Amino acid sequence: GAVVSQHPSRVICKSGTSVKIECRSLDFQATTMFWYRQFPKQSLMLMATSNEGSKATYEQGVEKDKFLINHASLTLSTLTVTSAHPEDSSFYICSAGASYEQYFGPGTRLTVT
Amino acid sequence: DAKTTQPPSMDCAEGRAANLPCNHSTISGNEYVYWYRQIHSQGPQYIIHGLKNNETNEMASLIITEDRKSSTLILPHATLRDTAVYYCIVSGGGADGLTFGKGTHLIIQP
Repeated sequence: GAVVSQHPSRVICKSGTSVKIECRSLDFQATTMFWYRQFPKQSLMLMATSNEGSKATYEQGVEKDKFLINHASLTLSTLTVTSAHPEDSSFYICSAGASYEQYFGPGTRLTVT
Repeated sequence: DAKTTQPPSMDCAEGRAANLPCNHSTISGNEYVYWYRQIHSQGPQYIIHGLKNNETNEMASLIITEDRKSSTLILPHATLRDTAVYYCIVSGGGADGLTFGKGTHLIIQP
């Protein structure tokens, strides 16, 4: 299957700072990428859909001004968590959409202290 | 809310076939059945998908009932590395965000 990478794999930041997470599709072009969040012992929850060259679409309850998404090319989407707080600590996972399936990145573990 | 129902956990002996059921009685005519799995602290991995015919690939087989209201994922010869949470998801395709339910935690016993 296709390969999707994320960087960084782990990040620890202080409360009030911003963190950027990159998601890259390495061997195919993805017009649509997705961002999910997973809290401990819970399932993945879709945060937003990122379309290349246009504004992201956020799910209900996800603050677009707090979770900034940029999808500037067909192989790169970024998620910036602004003014992070401890409750934003989570496992953030991106995926890239192919014709039928989605290919997921390995995830980024964010810890806000 | 997820449109699928799965048992929360299952055990299977190593080397045996693992059969994971999923109910999706409200599936729409244009929605596919997808299966993904997630090994602890990793991103989900695509396994297989189907519309109405049974499907097989190098990882698994997918059996969909004729009325499309339920399906079964079959791992023909389970290994310890198949221990994971398996998610059954209905979706219109790769351009749609996925709604994950709680999945089935499959534990392969040596």
